[in-house]
Amino acid sequence: DTEVTQTPKHLVMGMTNKKSLKCEQHMGHRAMYWYKQKAKKPPELMFVYSYEKLSINESVPSRFSPECPNSSLLNLHLHALQPEDSALYLCASSRTSTETQYFGPGTRLLVL
Amino acid sequence: KNEVEQSPQNLTAQEGEFITINCSYSVGISALHWLQQHPGGGIVSLFMLSSGKKKHGRLIATINIQEKHSSLHITASHPRDSAVYICAVRGGSNYKLTFGKGTLLTVNP
Repeated sequence: DTEVTQTPKHLVMGMTNKKSLKCEQHMGHRAMYWYKQKAKKPPELMFVYSYEKLSINESVPSRFSPECPNSSLLNLHLHALQPEDSALYLCASSRTSTETQYFGPGTRLLVL
Repeated sequence: KNEVEQSPQNLTAQEGEFITINCSYSVGISALHWLQQHPGGGIVSLFMLSSGKKKHGRLIATINIQEKHSSLHITASHPRDSAVYICAVRGGSNYKLTFGKGTLLTVNP
């Protein structure tokens, strides 16, 4: 199993809503990542978890809250988002920090 | 901070043609990744290189560490190869990738 899965595929939310994105991998990877990608731009790193601990937060606003409940699962909790947060949110994982990152298909988020 | 430059930005080819996409970076790295992204889709990791050359099917990736340059070649291109190809480098930080802006490849039948 070399797959990273993400749910939902698409999400539309209002600025007052609370929602969560989910990412799962069963490859035994110990590093997991959240990226944000705007149209026609490269991905931007948001958060990195290593061995279920947050190791990098790229100065992301607090309306984005990551969570790693176990080594296979990564969540991104969303609250009070702005329209400019509309983007493709990509999850990735790697066995260790120095190995290939495997990306999920992404969640396309629209904030109204 | 590493700067990653890709060329060309856009590339149109006829089916069957040999394709080359280039990537240059400014600072020494520990690894370079080539990624593929179809329109509206997620990202697929094609290669991770730290030296030499790798081949997978019709795809070949090379890296010259001294010249700080990598190339991705596609032999016998096919319309399904149409996608954005992204070069990303990992430098001093173990985790962080610096991405190029991508090359949009269109292969016409």
